[in-house]
Amino acid sequence: EDKVVQSPLSLVVHEGDTVTLNCSYEVTNFRSLLWYKQEKKAPTFLFMLTSSGIEKKSGRLSSILDKKELFSILNITATQTGDSAVYLCAVGQASNTGKLIFGQGTTLQVKP
Amino acid sequence: NAGVMQNPRHLVRRRGQEARLRCSPMKGHSHVYWYRQLPEEGLKFMVYLQKENIIDESGMPKERFSAEFPKEGPSILRIQQVVRGDSAAYFCASSPVTSGSMYTQYFGPGTRLTVL
Repeated sequence: EDKVVQSPLSLVVHEGDTVTLNCSYEVTNFRSLLWYKQEKKAPTFLFMLTSSGIEKKSGRLSSILDKKELFSILNITATQTGDSAVYLCAVGQASNTGKLIFGQGTTLQVKP
Repeated sequence: NAGVMQNPRHLVRRRGQEARLRCSPMKGHSHVYWYRQLPEEGLKFMVYLQKENIIDESGMPKERFSAEFPKEGPSILRIQQVVRGDSAAYFCASSPVTSGSMYTQYFGPGTRLTVL
């Protein structure tokens, strides 16, 4: 069965800390891995990764994919209270379905 | 440029009633996806539609649930004879036409369905 597993499930840090969120997957016909940030509304797209070893970066956030070991990490440096959210990892398959398989999410709380 | 729009944002129904959830994709997007998020769980794929076509409904319960995306107007997710277990957040996402960006799905704010 295809699955995506995120760890940790929840995390509490203080402003200024650096965090690393993990996403491992066992999915047939892997095509891409996506990260989303979900606050009390729509999941917001962060990154899409398709190739191993190429870091994607946006401000204080960065992500990298390892297709050999079947995982990805999302790093957030110098965390701020506005980073508090649920971070979702999803995998897309090389098929015509367009279906994304989501992990259960990591809840990040950044304290002042 | 408006994002994906969903309405209503909150919907309360009694057991046995029908629920209709609407989704308008981003401008220029012709692919629509519906996901369900149960409490304390991740998003689960339900159905993928293009205009007037259901491409993949493998995640949709076989009974009581249906979806459409007509040539004109929003996509509709319809749940007949709702039960308490249908209480969840229902998210719609859309993506552009080109297959290269097929998986960059942009999500709407969701409809939170509560069944009493």
